[in-house]
Amino acid sequence: GAVVSQHPSRVICKSGTSVKIECRSLDFQATTMFWYRQFPKKSLMLMATSNEGSKATYEQGVEKDKFLINHASLTLSTLTVTSAHPEDSSFYICSAGPTSQETQYFGPGTRLLVL
Amino acid sequence: GQQLNQSPQSMFIQEGEDVSMNCTSSSIFNTWLWYKQEPGEGPVLLIALYKAGELTSNGRLTAQFGITRKDSFLNISASIPSDVGIYFCAGLRGGSNYKLTFGKGTLLTVNP
Repeated sequence: GAVVSQHPSRVICKSGTSVKIECRSLDFQATTMFWYRQFPKKSLMLMATSNEGSKATYEQGVEKDKFLINHASLTLSTLTVTSAHPEDSSFYICSAGPTSQETQYFGPGTRLLVL
Repeated sequence: GQQLNQSPQSMFIQEGEDVSMNCTSSSIFNTWLWYKQEPGEGPVLLIALYKAGELTSNGRLTAQFGITRKDSFLNISASIPSDVGIYFCAGLRGGSNYKLTFGKGTLLTVNP
């Protein structure tokens, strides 16, 4: 299957700092990528749809100024958590799918801990 | 947002037993996907179903796309301890809409 990578796999930061998470499709191009947040023992919650070359589309209740998304190329989307607070601590996962197939592959996730 | 109705929520079984879980929806999906997630990792795609009525196998896993396009099931035969994890179903409407709609997951525990 297709491969999606994320970096870093885990990050610890101080409250008030910004953290950037990268999502890459390694063997296919993706005009659309998705960012999810997952709380312990819960399903994935879609945060936003990342569109190559245009603005991201955010789900209701997700602050676009806090979670900045940039999709600068067909293989890379980044999520920046700005002015992070402890309540932003979570597991962030991206997904992407080849445009020729109707399916989505997930990255391995990034564990963010804000102190 | 909308979620698929996935059941059961959890299962505790003995190694060697067969497992069945399913997802239903009030609306139609053009693709059904089944994922497995282990602690601290992202979901891994197990089976993708693209046609109503389609029955697809992947090793000990078998999944079917319901005829009405509103449901799907996943069977695991002869379970082994490494089958432990959370299994999610997901529906995709397709066309220009690539957003996934998820079930709440089935937590599978296999006792050796």
